[in-house]
Amino acid sequence: QKEVEQNSGPLSVPEGAIASLNCTYSDRGSQSFFWYRQYSGKSPELIMSIYSNGDKEDGRFTAQLNKASQYVSLLIRDSQPSDSATYLCAVNDDYKLSFGAGTTVTVRA
Amino acid sequence: DTGVSQDPRHKITKRGQNVTFRCDPISEHNRLYWYRQTLGQGPEFLTYFQNEAQLEKSRLLSDRFSAERPKGSFSTLEIQRTEQGDSAMYLCASQLAGDYEQYFGPGTRLTVT
Repeated sequence: QKEVEQNSGPLSVPEGAIASLNCTYSDRGSQSFFWYRQYSGKSPELIMSIYSNGDKEDGRFTAQLNKASQYVSLLIRDSQPSDSATYLCAVNDDYKLSFGAGTTVTVRA
Repeated sequence: DTGVSQDPRHKITKRGQNVTFRCDPISEHNRLYWYRQTLGQGPEFLTYFQNEAQLEKSRLLSDRFSAERPKGSFSTLEIQRTEQGDSAMYLCASQLAGDYEQYFGPGTRLTVT
């Protein structure tokens, strides 16, 4: 499987702040990139997909992709306690997905 | 549109026993994937189906593991002669051919004692 690296956590941010999560991938030919949120004991939930260089915004989430640098990031604005979870970066590997190990985010009130 | 469902949600078994898990994908999703996730790691790909055809299996999938999707709808994953190292969350995801997003079911947590 392709290598996907995420910045090690845990990441602790105060409520209302911006949480920034980073992910790098090994295969320059990768075309599809995803962020999943996983609450403790639950399954991954797709929150963002991005396919083109640049930014993609969805509510309080912004995904950023730089294919030249093989880098994808997720910003969570106005962080809420309900955002406390592990965030998984995934990259397509043909049809299947290769995942990073995840970054755990804790939003403190 | 109901999501992906998996059964059972939890399974405790003794080493050496066989277990079978079921996954029902989102209706009309013709691709179905199995992943395994252990604590502190991201999901790892096991196998996937397009309709009833099993198109790829991971090298992680030993010959004790077998998966089927006989009519291109639900899928089963069987583990024979379970070992303690098989303890993990087994995740099923489905995808509509032509789309890129995969949607996960709630998972089956397997504990081998």
